[in-house]
Amino acid sequence: SAVISQKPSRDICQRGTSLTIQCQVDSQVTMMFWYRQQPGQSLTLIATANQGSEATYESGFVIDKFPISRPNLTFSTLTVSNMSPEDSSIYLCSVETGGPSGANVLTFGAGSRLTVL
Amino acid sequence: GQNIDQPTEMTATEGAIVQINCTYQTSGFNGLFWYQQHAGEAPTFLSYNVLDGLEEKGRFSSFLSRSKGYSYLLLKELQMKDSASYLCAVRDQDYQLIWGAGTKLIIKP
Repeated sequence: SAVISQKPSRDICQRGTSLTIQCQVDSQVTMMFWYRQQPGQSLTLIATANQGSEATYESGFVIDKFPISRPNLTFSTLTVSNMSPEDSSIYLCSVETGGPSGANVLTFGAGSRLTVL
Repeated sequence: GQNIDQPTEMTATEGAIVQINCTYQTSGFNGLFWYQQHAGEAPTFLSYNVLDGLEEKGRFSSFLSRSKGYSYLLLKELQMKDSASYLCAVRDQDYQLIWGAGTKLIIKP
């Protein structure tokens, strides 16, 4: 499986500021996925990032709020813009790798825990 | 709409057996996953079922019944390190992953 380095691991941010999360994978992958996990809740997919094209955003998430870059096949960034306390969450990047019975298994970075004051 | 239901929290005793259930209603089915997530850490893959029946991997087993929209994760010989949240996820007909809210498992000595 892939190894993903994600940073920062945590940060405390002021309302109205922006923060960029970086995700580095140790192998080339076509798609990278950005998830949000709010306290005590399930994983919610924010967007899928493909190299060389615009990211595909899920319902409820927009590029102006969560701009994503994917400059090459091993790296991606997610920016959380104009933050409010409601953006306090864990943000996770992930990639798919081969698993049992032909499954595409998600491997996650360690996550970035953001607290917005 | 698409939905996955899991119990919010379960408690079990060290050395015992626990079964965590997951029921789903999705648009199509292309596999079901179980992930383990320790507090403050990222989820890690545990098991995958795409056909009906039981998949065994050491102390952990996962069962699937597609006709009933039902799966369970069975943990045997529980250890304190098994205290974690267990996430059920289903891949639908469009290969989108639908996630359950997770079951927090508390192991007591």
